[in-house]
Amino acid sequence: QLQLQESGPGLVKPSETLSLTCSVSGGSINSSSDYWGWIRQPPGKGLEWIGSIYYSGSTYYNPSLESRVTISVDTSKSQFSLKLRSVTAADTAVYYCARIDTGYADMDVWGQGTTVTVSS
Amino acid sequence: DIQLTQSPSSLSASVRDRVTITCRASQDIGKFLNWYQQKPGKAPKLLIYDASNLETGVPSRFSGSGSGTDFSFTITSLQPEDIATYYCQHYDTLRITFGQGTRLEIK
Repeated sequence: QLQLQESGPGLVKPSETLSLTCSVSGGSINSSSDYWGWIRQPPGKGLEWIGSIYYSGSTYYNPSLESRVTISVDTSKSQFSLKLRSVTAADTAVYYCARIDTGYADMDVWGQGTTVTVSS
Repeated sequence: DIQLTQSPSSLSASVRDRVTITCRASQDIGKFLNWYQQKPGKAPKLLIYDASNLETGVPSRFSGSGSGTDFSFTITSLQPEDIATYYCQHYDTLRITFGQGTRLEIK
């Protein structure tokens, strides 16, 4: 059974870079039928898609975050990663990774989420 | 960019009630709409994909319908465990958009 697990620092200082990794287990990150994505949820607010990556390395970003975001994949480690630069308090959120089906773009497997707080 | 507008933003209903949430797209999106349930402190859970297809293992009291710009999500007989926030989600030109969510409470 496919499982995703986010990892990374829970506290990041303003203006620094937020870095998270999602580890994929119980399945292949090389699947041609899947994308891998990052979604975040600020406290008390709704879901925001950050971006997605295909195993080949093709990336797709939310235009509102594109200038600050890099998503990468390491197929040898079955991991994909998120870097968000120049963070502010507005980037404080629960960050989720998820599998995205290439057909319907539905996200059927999610990590448990990791809370990242931006504060000095 | 396509916008998704859910209504209502919040809803209070009684156990065994029929509950309907709507999601309106800013332009024709065919049937490319998915629905999720999110309980407090948990990751979202996929319930419906491609507007009307029930995800495996999801109870049959949940259903979805619609195409084009107008979509609906229905719980035919509300159960206490259905208390959650529900989101619609669309995918277009490699970009993903969520509705703002509908918070469902028990009356």
